[in-house]
This record gives sequence, C-alpha cells and structure tokens, in this order.
Amino acid sequence: DQQVKQNSPSLSVQEGRISILNCDYTNSMFDYFLWYKKYPAEGPTFLISISSIKDKNEDGRFTVFLNKSAKHLSLHIVPSQPGDSAVYFCAASANTDKLIFGTGTRLQVFP
Amino acid sequence: GAGVSQSPRYKVAKRGQDVALRCDPISGHVSLFWYQQALGQGPEFLTYFQNEAQLDKSGLPSDRFFAERPEGSVSTLKIQRTQQEDSAVYLCASSPSGTGDSPLHFGNGTRLTVT
Repeated sequence: DQQVKQNSPSLSVQEGRISILNCDYTNSMFDYFLWYKKYPAEGPTFLISISSIKDKNEDGRFTVFLNKSAKHLSLHIVPSQPGDSAVYFCAASANTDKLIFGTGTRLQVFP
Repeated sequence: GAGVSQSPRYKVAKRGQDVALRCDPISGHVSLFWYQQALGQGPEFLTYFQNEAQLDKSGLPSDRFFAERPEGSVSTLKIQRTQQEDSAVYLCASSPSGTGDSPLHFGNGTRLTVT
C-alpha cells in the first residue's frame, strides 16, 4: 500500500522555466511533508518542508504547496536551473512518526 | 561540519554471507534511522533509534536483519545469511530532534550487492 505517490517518474523542463513536481498521499493523519533532492551516488538532501497547518512555504526559488482536502502537495522551482537536475522525493510523516517516501520524480533541466 | 558517514560505500557479498553496515551520525543527533532503497524506488523505513533505544523496528523485512546503537551514537545494521533480494542501497539518517518533525540528514548510503 503506497501511502505517498509520485505518479510522474520523470519531468523535463527548459532552463529558466518553472518546474512543478507533484505528490499525492492517502493517509489523512500525515501532518508534516518534506521534499528531498537526490543526486546519483549521494544520499537524499533536505530541500523544503511544510506542516499541515500551512498551505504554502517558500524558500528562495522553491515553493511547496499543500492542499489537504485533495491530499496533494506540489513543489515549484522557478526559475529552473541545470543544477536542479536530480531525483526529487516527496516524504510525509504522521504524529512525529517515521518518514514515508514516494518513489521519486527525475527532473531534467535542459539549456 | 561533518555529515552522516556510512561505511563501506560498496559491499559485495555471496549469498549466505553475513554483512555489517556502519553509520556514524552527526555528533549530538538524538535520532537515527535506517532506510532501504531498492533500484527505482524511494527509501523504505527499516528501523529507528532514539539515543540507544530502538523504538521502532517494524520495517525490518525479516529476522535476518538486526540493528544496534549501543552507546547512542554509531549504529550498525547487520544482515545475516544474505539473499539476492537484500541487494539495495542502505541509507542511514540522523536528526537532532527526538521527534519526527525535523528534517533527516542522510548519509551517502552503502550499496549492497548479493551475488
């Protein structure tokens, strides 16, 4: 039972444009959501998070949106840069429990 | 400062061998997690320590998997009688908080290949 789903395995975006990565979840008890970025042969690196009491959190070029009624969150990267090319994982936890990860979306930003 | 360190980076084991994977968390971090990442998948939870106490081992796939953190810092994940399905990247992560509402800091993982 996949509680956190990333239905797009890959995304290709031109440099300078917006990248939008999507994530859906099934567990209504989730109250903390994170995005991680992963380069090959490295561990995931924390990018941005949001708690369920908010619907938006912004950090520089990265913004995470949370729609609790739809059980959906998204990560917006604008403007996209070639260095953003990586695999992005959505993760969630409930009541300070362990993080549950999605299967990842591979983002490629081309010139 | 130093991040989470895992060793070895790569491990090849023959089926049936025992392996031990080491994790050095960030100094002072209370929480330590082990995750397993199969090819093309996201990390899957294995077990969690708060200091030396193993509070959750619900993700360990079988009794061949054992983890310890005896002094509340370094942790070892041991897999006995390895099987081909154990081939994966094993990720260790630590967090300064004793709760689950702060980001995890991951190591670069140990890639285990069982032949």
